[in-house]
Order: sequence, then C-alpha cells, then structure tokens
Amino acid sequence: DAGVTQSPTHLIKTRGQQVTLRCSPKSGHDTVSWYQQALGQGPQFIFQYYEEEERQRGNFPDRFSGHQFPNYSSELNVNALLLGDSALYLCASSLIWAFSYEQYFGPGTRLTVT
Amino acid sequence: SQQGEEDPQALSIQEGENATMNCSYKTSINNLQWYRQNSGRGLVHLILIRSNEREKHSGRLRVTLDTSKKSSSLLITASRAADTASYFCATGLRGGSEKLVFGKGTKLTVNP
Repeated sequence: DAGVTQSPTHLIKTRGQQVTLRCSPKSGHDTVSWYQQALGQGPQFIFQYYEEEERQRGNFPDRFSGHQFPNYSSELNVNALLLGDSALYLCASSLIWAFSYEQYFGPGTRLTVT
Repeated sequence: SQQGEEDPQALSIQEGENATMNCSYKTSINNLQWYRQNSGRGLVHLILIRSNEREKHSGRLRVTLDTSKKSSSLLITASRAADTASYFCATGLRGGSEKLVFGKGTKLTVNP
C-alpha cells in the first residue's frame, strides 16, 4: 500500500518562472492538502482539495493555484516565482469523513528559486 | 501566521533521558496533534488528543492537554538516538480533514 508520493524531489527555478508540483495521495484517501515550509519554520497551509474543488485556502496569493484530478491526485502551481517561494512543499492526504483526523504527509518537494 | 508556539526551540539530551516539549496555542481547538520531522523531510503523525481529553499515551509518548491554559506537552520517555528530529504541534480547528495550523517546532537532539 503506497503512501503519499510527491514529485519531483528537488527543483531549481529562476525568479519569474512557473512551477508545477505533483502529489499522489495514500490509497483510499480523497482529500489533498498542500503546505509550504520555509527553512526553520513550521508548515503553513496553502489550500485543500476535495472532489476536484478547492475546499479551503490559507493566506497565500493567487499566484498559488491547484488542481485535483478524478483519481484524487493533485498539482500545485506557482506562477511568477519569487525568491521567498523557496521552501519545502508538503502534500498531505486524508479521508474527509474518517473518524481519525490524521493527515498523511509525503516526503516533500524542495523548491529553490534563484 | 502560526497558531502554536513550541518551547523550547531546541533541546539536547542524553540517550535514556526523558524529553519534554511544550506547545501553546491561541484559539479554541477541536484537536491537537504532534508530528515528527526528520532532516527536513515529510512529517510523521505521532499522536492526536481531542479537546475533551486531558492525557493520552502511545508507547513511549505521553501527551497532555490543558484547554484552560491553551497548552499541551509531549513527553518522550527513555529517549533514543533515533528520536533525534524536529517535533511540531498542530492544531485542528474543526473536525474531519480540516487544515492543520503548525507551530515552529522543537529541534530535539538525543546524544548516544
């Protein structure tokens, strides 16, 4: 039973470019959340997808957008990259109506913007 | 903004000792969770305590919650070198798959 997978593992981009990060949830999960973790900080919630719709959004600009596919996998897109977007991007999956509130995290994608 | 604040920011102990980390938060919560992160990689869920619970145990982990003080503590007993990691508390503001609000974490080093 595969856990949460993310690709790519590492990515280097230049300011102004666009990036797409991918996430496959744990088998059986239907909800995907994305978090940004800057160096030395805790993860910050970007948004959450369920039934291919953005269900909740954190305090991030519109440059951050996402998508969820019918197979529950998800993409995070960031446009017009800034140096401050350099961070570890974490994807977490869960089952929306499950009794357990636990979220399962992937290994993350390390994005470096130069 | 961060909901929780862990204390201390860093903790260094010897193998076999107990490690205690504290977390304070600001708003009412549905549940509080503790996660571990090794070397800046993915987070691993350790334990969840609901707002109507005061204490919970899981193996060598003991978590307490004081909603009147808006604080929680995580105790790791008989620590091992493999416990070296960053530990984060995260608050769930509502039930289900609601977003988690994380603190800045405590970096624990267990020396062999």
